[in-house]
Amino acid sequence: DGGITQSPKYLFRKEGQNVTLSCEQNLNHDAMYWYRQDPGQGLRLIYYSQIVNDFQKGDIAEGYSVSREKKESFPLTVTSAQKNPTAFYLCASSRSGATGEQYFGPGTRLTVT
Amino acid sequence: QQPVQSPQAVILREGEDAVINCSSSKALYSVHWYRQKHGEAPVFLMILLKGGEQKGHDKISASFNEKKQQSSLYLTASQLSYSGTYFCGTRSGNAGNMLTFGGGTRLMVKP
Repeated sequence: DGGITQSPKYLFRKEGQNVTLSCEQNLNHDAMYWYRQDPGQGLRLIYYSQIVNDFQKGDIAEGYSVSREKKESFPLTVTSAQKNPTAFYLCASSRSGATGEQYFGPGTRLTVT
Repeated sequence: QQPVQSPQAVILREGEDAVINCSSSKALYSVHWYRQKHGEAPVFLMILLKGGEQKGHDKISASFNEKKQQSSLYLTASQLSYSGTYFCGTRSGNAGNMLTFGGGTRLMVKP
C-alpha cells in the first residue's frame, strides 16, 4: 500500500534537547512538506522540499531544520532554539506541479516539558 | 496571509445542509479542501482550479469564484461521518506547490 508514515506517533522530550521526527513516503512524490498544528488551530508550514537536496523555509521555520537526502524521506529536527515545540506535527507529500493534492501522514504529537 | 474561513463552527442535525466559505486577499490559482477528524491527519476532499476544473469527492461539491478569490464547500444531506474540522488550503499563482491553510471550520453532525 502506498502512503506516508510518520514515527513515532507520540514523543516526549525534556526542554533543551533536540528531537528528530521521521517522515517517509512511497508514493514517488517529488514534493514534501512539514506542518505544525496547535490545538484548535490550522496548519502552518514549517519547511517544504520540491526536489531532493533542496528545501525552502515556510512561515515558521525558526527553531527547526530539515534534510532531503532521499526522495522518500524528509526528517524534521526540532531544535532547542524552538521556544514552544509542543504541538502536533504533520508531514505531507504531493506530485510536482501546482495541481497536486497533498497527502498527509498520521502525524507525531510532540510534548516537551 | 492565511485565508479566512466562515463560519468558525456549525452544528447540524443529520440530513441538514451546510456551506463553508473560504476567502483570500490574494489572487488564487487553486483551492483545496480537507477534512480532519480529531487527532488524525487531514484527508483530501476536493480541489478547484482556476478556469473551472474540479477534482474530488462524489458527495461533496464546491465552487470557486476567481474574481472574488472565494470558495464555498457545500455539504448536503449531512451524515454523522461528516463531523470534523474542514480546512481550505489556497495556492497563489507564484507559490509553486505550497498551500496556505485557513483556520478551519468545526462541523458537528448530531443524530
